[in-house]
Amino acid sequence: EVHLLESGGGLVQPGGSLRLSCVASGFTFSTFAMTWVRQVPGKGLEWVSSLSGSSASTYYADSVKDRFTISRDNSKNTVHLQMNRLRAEDTAIYYCAKDLQDSSGYGDAFHIWGQGIKVTVSS
Amino acid sequence: SYVLTQPPSVSVAPGQAATVTCGGNNIGRKSVHWYQQRPGQAPVLVVYDDSERPSGIPERFSGSNSGITATLTISRVEAGDEADYYCHVWDSTGGHRGFFGGGTKLTVL
Repeated sequence: EVHLLESGGGLVQPGGSLRLSCVASGFTFSTFAMTWVRQVPGKGLEWVSSLSGSSASTYYADSVKDRFTISRDNSKNTVHLQMNRLRAEDTAIYYCAKDLQDSSGYGDAFHIWGQGIKVTVSS
Repeated sequence: SYVLTQPPSVSVAPGQAATVTCGGNNIGRKSVHWYQQRPGQAPVLVVYDDSERPSGIPERFSGSNSGITATLTISRVEAGDEADYYCHVWDSTGGHRGFFGGGTKLTVL
């Protein structure tokens, strides 16, 4: 069974940093792109970033570009989201998701989702 | 930025069909994916590439896409279908980015 488990969330002050991790199991991790999506409680979904299976291609939303970095360690079946210069508007539940069909990181649907991890940016 | 427009809410009686629309500029030229999100849960992919269903998704869920509107149709609606539904596309204008619609709350009367 495919499973994703996020960790690393919590409370951080504005301007601070946080690193989210997502450990995957149940599939050949390196052959699928991975994605982070966030959701402010009570609001809609927002795509954050995607990463190809080989790490060759990365994609970011304008709202996080130059502040967030997505990476992966295929030897540990783990994808990370390094979040720097955090703002109050980054407060959300962050979901890790496995792309459906391929490793490109662009164009695919998000098939399997983790349960999400809460990030709160507040002083 | 690519804007996807969904109605905030749709209501339907059990056993009837529900349609959720997603409007966007020339969306018919893109692949549209749809997600269901029940309260307090992570989203679930219900339709991908306009009209394909992942394994395990009932045939009651179907999709279409043409012109400026994509549509998710849920036939023979059940109480368990009550949820938020989001459309999703990718757009390469100004950079390769993903976009979600604002979501539609489906209420089963």
